[in-house]
Amino acid sequence: NAGVTQTPKFRVLKTGQSMTLLCAQDMNHEYMYWYRQDPGMGLRLIHYSVGEGTTAKGEVPDGYNVSRLKKQNFLLGLESAAPSQTSVYFCASSLQGWITEAFFGQGTRLTVV
Amino acid sequence: EDKVVQSPLSLVVHEGDTVTLNCSYEVTNFRSLLWYKQEKKAPTFLFMLTSSGIEKKSGRLSSILDKKELFSILNITATQTGDSAVYLCALRTGTASKLTFGTGTRLQVTL
Repeated sequence: NAGVTQTPKFRVLKTGQSMTLLCAQDMNHEYMYWYRQDPGMGLRLIHYSVGEGTTAKGEVPDGYNVSRLKKQNFLLGLESAAPSQTSVYFCASSLQGWITEAFFGQGTRLTVV
Repeated sequence: EDKVVQSPLSLVVHEGDTVTLNCSYEVTNFRSLLWYKQEKKAPTFLFMLTSSGIEKKSGRLSSILDKKELFSILNITATQTGDSAVYLCALRTGTASKLTFGTGTRLQVTL
């Protein structure tokens, strides 16, 4: 009953460093999403995937890349971290886009110094 | 550009009070409106509304959508301290994949 699992839960990066956030779901969901949440800004969509091997840009994709090589995993990469990417990142998944309920991971708090 | 506005931004009430949270929107190609509750971490799903005037209810929580006036309300009756959270409204538009969130209403229920 893991649902949606994000790793790591916390990370501090120096400007210019790279890292990958992992999202794993065990519900056989087709759709997966990466959001960032900043104070006063709500949740903003970074990238999403409608199935294995597919990805698409959301509202705020600049500075991020994603991959969906396996159906259960959705990776979010930061190639060269910037302080503006300090945020809480949430992964979500759903069976059929937003027609069905979406489940969120517990979030990753990333600080870029 | 799709727009979702929630009000109030924050609210403090006493246990037992009834609260009404508002979500107004300006979107193209409306599909549905969703409410989520976010405590310390992950948002959890509350309701999905697609049709005007049909109330969705779960225990002390209820919600209704007005597609003519472009808003939804979330009511919580007999509030409890466990209701303290940020309540998020989100609009699904166009393709099945895009969901636009409001900034949320922070509710604090005190004893």
